[in-house]
Amino acid sequence: QQQVKQSPQSLIVQKGGISIINCAYENTAFDYFPWYQQFPGKGPALLIAIRPDVSEKKEGRFTISFNKSAKQFSLHIMDSQPGDSATYFCAASMNSGYSTLTFGKGTMLLVSP
Amino acid sequence: DVKVTQSSRYLVKRTGEKVFLECVQDMDHENMFWYRQDPGLGLRLIYFSYDVKMKEKGDIPEGYSVSREKKERFSLILESASTNQTSMYLCASSPDRINTIYFGEGSWLTVV
Repeated sequence: QQQVKQSPQSLIVQKGGISIINCAYENTAFDYFPWYQQFPGKGPALLIAIRPDVSEKKEGRFTISFNKSAKQFSLHIMDSQPGDSATYFCAASMNSGYSTLTFGKGTMLLVSP
Repeated sequence: DVKVTQSSRYLVKRTGEKVFLECVQDMDHENMFWYRQDPGLGLRLIYFSYDVKMKEKGDIPEGYSVSREKKERFSLILESASTNQTSMYLCASSPDRINTIYFGEGSWLTVV
């Protein structure tokens, strides 16, 4: 079974700090790597995504770093805010056939005031 | 904005009951999905559909079936609910195979 391994399971960061969540994958055919953000009582929503032709993508305070040789990618949240407290899921998929997203198990982030 | 609507947010059902979870999307998306979310297990794909009347098994299809009679509607069916199916169920849709998917707000099902 295709897998995406996500760590840590939970994370507490002080306001203004950097939050880092890591994911590793096994299938070298994966070519799309999104991150989803989920607030309590809501469905996940796409936060940011990257394809393996670039090593980094930044949108505001959120950055994805991608290491193709190590088969790893990570989400960095700069200047973390209490409003960033949520569950974050990494995912991966192949753009071929009937490929679907394979999700990591999620990271619960708490940003303390 | 894309809207994926799950009509029932909270349900309590008895063991052995037949349960229908309904999902409607308003963006003419080709693809629809049902996921199950459990603490520590993340999001697990139950079934998906790339076209009307078409369905494919995901990672955990046992105990579930689906129906897609119209493009905008995708139903998840628990033929005989069991307590281990107590969970949050998420419906999603996407416009293409690039896999940017849009989730509904979830349906919390408790089977007693």
